[in-house]
Amino acid sequence: DIQMTQSPSSLSASVGDRLTITCRASPSVYSYVNWYQVKQGEAPRLLIHDVSRLQSGVPSRFSGRGSGTDFTLVISSLQPEDVATYYCQQSYSIPPTFGGGTKVEV
Amino acid sequence: QVQLQESGPGLVKPSQTLSLTCTVSGGSFSSGGYYWSWMRQPAGKGLEWLGRIYINGNTNYHPSLQSRVAISIDTSTNQFSLKLSSVTAADTAVYYCARGNYGSGNPALFDYWGQGTLVTVSS
Repeated sequence: DIQMTQSPSSLSASVGDRLTITCRASPSVYSYVNWYQVKQGEAPRLLIHDVSRLQSGVPSRFSGRGSGTDFTLVISSLQPEDVATYYCQQSYSIPPTFGGGTKVEV
Repeated sequence: QVQLQESGPGLVKPSQTLSLTCTVSGGSFSSGGYYWSWMRQPAGKGLEWLGRIYINGNTNYHPSLQSRVAISIDTSTNQFSLKLSSVTAADTAVYYCARGNYGSGNPALFDYWGQGTLVTVSS
C-alpha cells in the first residue's frame, strides 16, 4: 500500500492565521492527491482534488499544491468554522490510502 | 444534491457478521462515472478504505480484508451494503459510505459521504 504521512498531527492557531498542512507520499502518487475536511458528527467533505482543484462550493481560502511525493494544503485565513480534522488521500493506486489526519483548533 | 445515509446495528458480537446498508438519494445512483465505497475509522486512527462496487456489480476490496468483506448493490432501492464476517474488537469503528467519482479521470475521488455510523464489536 502507498503510505501517506501527514504533519503536523494537530495544531492550534488564531482566526486569520495562514495554515499549512503537509502530506508526504511513499512512493510517488504523481498528481493524484485529494484533501478532505471532517467535522465531528458530520459527513466528510471533499475540499480539493487532483492536488489543486477546488471542489465546487469550497471557499477560496483553501488551496493545494505539490506533485510526486510532497503535497500541501493551505488555509490562507483561518476561520472559526474551519475547526476540523483534515486528511490527505492518494487516488493513484488501489487501495486508496489516507494520511493520519491533522486536527485544527482555533 | 446527493445524500448518503448508513444504517444497521450499532452493536455486533465477536465472531459474528457486521452488516450495514447505505441508502443513496438525490440521483446519480445508476449513472456512469461513479462507484460506491465503504470506509471506516477506528477511534483515534485514520480512515481506511474497505472496498467498492460498480453499478454492474464488479467489486474491489482492500487486500487485508479480502477474505472477510463483501459489498453488494440493489439498484431497485438505490442501496448498497457491506458485510464483514468474523468480526473482532479491532473492527470497532465509525463506518462511512461514499460515492467514488472516476468520471473526471481521478480513479478514487470521494465526493459525497454519509455521516457515518458507529459499530461496536463487543459481547
